[in-house]
Amino acid sequence: AQSVTQLDSQVPVFEEAPVELRCNYSSSVSVYLFWYVQYPNQGLQLLLKYLSGSTLVESINGFEAEFNKSQTSFHLRKPSVHISDTAEYFCAVSLYTGFQKLVFGTGTRLLVSP
Amino acid sequence: DAGVTQSPTHLIKTRGQHVTLRCSPISGHKSVSWYQQVLGQGPQFIFQYYEKEERGRGNFPDRFSARQFPNYSSELNVNALLLGDSALYLCASSSTGSNQPQHFGDGTRLSIL
Repeated sequence: AQSVTQLDSQVPVFEEAPVELRCNYSSSVSVYLFWYVQYPNQGLQLLLKYLSGSTLVESINGFEAEFNKSQTSFHLRKPSVHISDTAEYFCAVSLYTGFQKLVFGTGTRLLVSP
Repeated sequence: DAGVTQSPTHLIKTRGQHVTLRCSPISGHKSVSWYQQVLGQGPQFIFQYYEKEERGRGNFPDRFSARQFPNYSSELNVNALLLGDSALYLCASSSTGSNQPQHFGDGTRLSIL
């Protein structure tokens, strides 16, 4: 069975500092990997995705994630965070067995302080 | 283009009642999925519908049911509501293809008293 582990429930960081949000997954088959962001009282927004090809994927707002098959990880990084990055971040894996189902981690709350 | 829209945004019910939640997918998307997000947890998969047919179901009791209409919109129904059904219910749509990402609406916040 697939599972996703986000070890850090909360990550406090100062503005303009770098940050890494960790995600590890378990799966016996190839997977697609996603990061979603959730702002208060909103739904999930797709941040970035790994489907195939280059193991480093980037978003338009400065986040990047690297797929590491040997370590079954898909950590999210940003070299310099802003106050507006404060949100809940969810890592998810997708397995297609006739239908697509996303399995989410428990989320990491990123708290950016001035 | 409009994103995934869900209605209502908030709903308050009492135990034993039933509820219907609605979702309109992104134009051109034929697949709709429903997720339940309990406070402090990640979303849990409930259903996926494609071309009006149920394609997958998560580990939820039969009190949960859904359907998809010819215009690809969808309804989630929950009967005999329990306190534990209090959650944010999220709808997601995607285009055809196993690697297509799911796009989420803002959800319906359901509170059971």
